[in-house]
Amino acid sequence: NAGVTQTPKFQVLKTGQSMTLQCAQDMNHNSMYWYRQDPGMGLRLIYYSASEGTTDKGEVPNGYNVSRLNKREFSLRLESAAPSQTSVYFCASSVVKGVQPQHFGDGTRLSIL
Amino acid sequence: DAKTTQPNSMESNEEEPVHLPCNHSTISGTDYIHWYRQLPSQGPEYVIHGLTSNVNNRMASLAIAEDRKSSTLILHRATLRDAAVYYCILGGGSQGNLIFGKGTKLSVKP
Repeated sequence: NAGVTQTPKFQVLKTGQSMTLQCAQDMNHNSMYWYRQDPGMGLRLIYYSASEGTTDKGEVPNGYNVSRLNKREFSLRLESAAPSQTSVYFCASSVVKGVQPQHFGDGTRLSIL
Repeated sequence: DAKTTQPNSMESNEEEPVHLPCNHSTISGTDYIHWYRQLPSQGPEYVIHGLTSNVNNRMASLAIAEDRKSSTLILHRATLRDAAVYYCILGGGSQGNLIFGKGTKLSVKP
């Protein structure tokens, strides 16, 4: 059982380039989330999707867009990458928004030069 | 959203019990207490959660104070694989998300 799968695992971009991070879950979960983690810090929520067809901003949404492609897939797009977006990005899913535990992928390590 | 306070770091010896404390004095009546851990170079992993009563599962035990203003995650017998950052989180917040602090970095010595 794969759980939450993120691609790619590593990526280096130049400032101004665009990129889409992919996330897919095979647990039939309704809710999906994108977080970023900067060195020595906890995770911060970028965007979330409570259910298929809905997306909402989290704590740090500026510079990002998301698409809930279907129930399984939730992508994160950087339209014009900036060095401040260098971070590790984690996707997560849960049965429903709120109390249910979240299941996390192994992250995408993104460096922007 | 209610916040939690955890020590920055703790050390333990292998095969000994570990008690990881968490203070959450502003917890609301509907806040669950979640514990996640993050091993190096991995995503966070769910450990346990509870509301009022103590909880046990295969990974750990969660002891919740009667006034719910503090809780303790108990690893009964630490192994080297338990070395990780442990996050105490009140959830799910106004957006249903998990609000991560800096957590407690647990080191386990052989």
